[in-house]
Amino acid sequence: GENVEQHPSTLSVQEGDSAVIKCTYSDSASNYFPWYKQELGKGPQLIIDIRSNVGEKKDQRIAVTLNKTAKHFSLHITETQPEDSAVYFCAAILPGGGADGLTFGKGTHLIIQP
Amino acid sequence: KAGVTQTPRYLIKTRGQQVTLSCSPISGHRSVSWYQQTPGQGLQFLFEYFSETQRNKGNFPGRFSGRQFSNSRSEMNVSTLELGDSALYLCASSLRTSGVGTDTQYFGPGTRLTVL
Repeated sequence: GENVEQHPSTLSVQEGDSAVIKCTYSDSASNYFPWYKQELGKGPQLIIDIRSNVGEKKDQRIAVTLNKTAKHFSLHITETQPEDSAVYFCAAILPGGGADGLTFGKGTHLIIQP
Repeated sequence: KAGVTQTPRYLIKTRGQQVTLSCSPISGHRSVSWYQQTPGQGLQFLFEYFSETQRNKGNFPGRFSGRQFSNSRSEMNVSTLELGDSALYLCASSLRTSGVGTDTQYFGPGTRLTVL
């Protein structure tokens, strides 16, 4: 099945600086890569996603890049704000879902220092 | 449009009991997936239901089961509860229009199950 590795597990940045979280996946057949933000006591909230036929996608301060050859994808948050503090998860899924559904990374705890 | 709702939000059970959790998907969404979230194992896929049929199943024992109703609402059941079943159980819904499982999944707030 698919396996997703996520780094770093904790990331502390100064408010206003950029944050980058990286993920690698194992199955080259995976074709959809969402990113979720989870705040304490809440379910994961989709913040951005990318499909395998696209190399980069941007939405205001958030961008995701995908390198299919290297099987890795990254989340970039610019001009970080206190409300960006949360746990971020990357995920990958095979066509049809398979036995794994969305396979998630272990999460990155992003801390925005004032 | 209302989001995914899950009931109850919190549950406390004892070992050996069984529990049923409920999920109402976003209006118009036909697929419901269930995930278990624990500090040690992270987010793990349980199963997916689409058109009242289980389409995909993760690597969990048979004590974990589910079903989907004609209105797309879904329930999951855990029988003979064990201490290790304590977790946040998340439900996610998607349109499932493509038929290949790559539609965006939207999560509910989860049900926090504690097994004593």
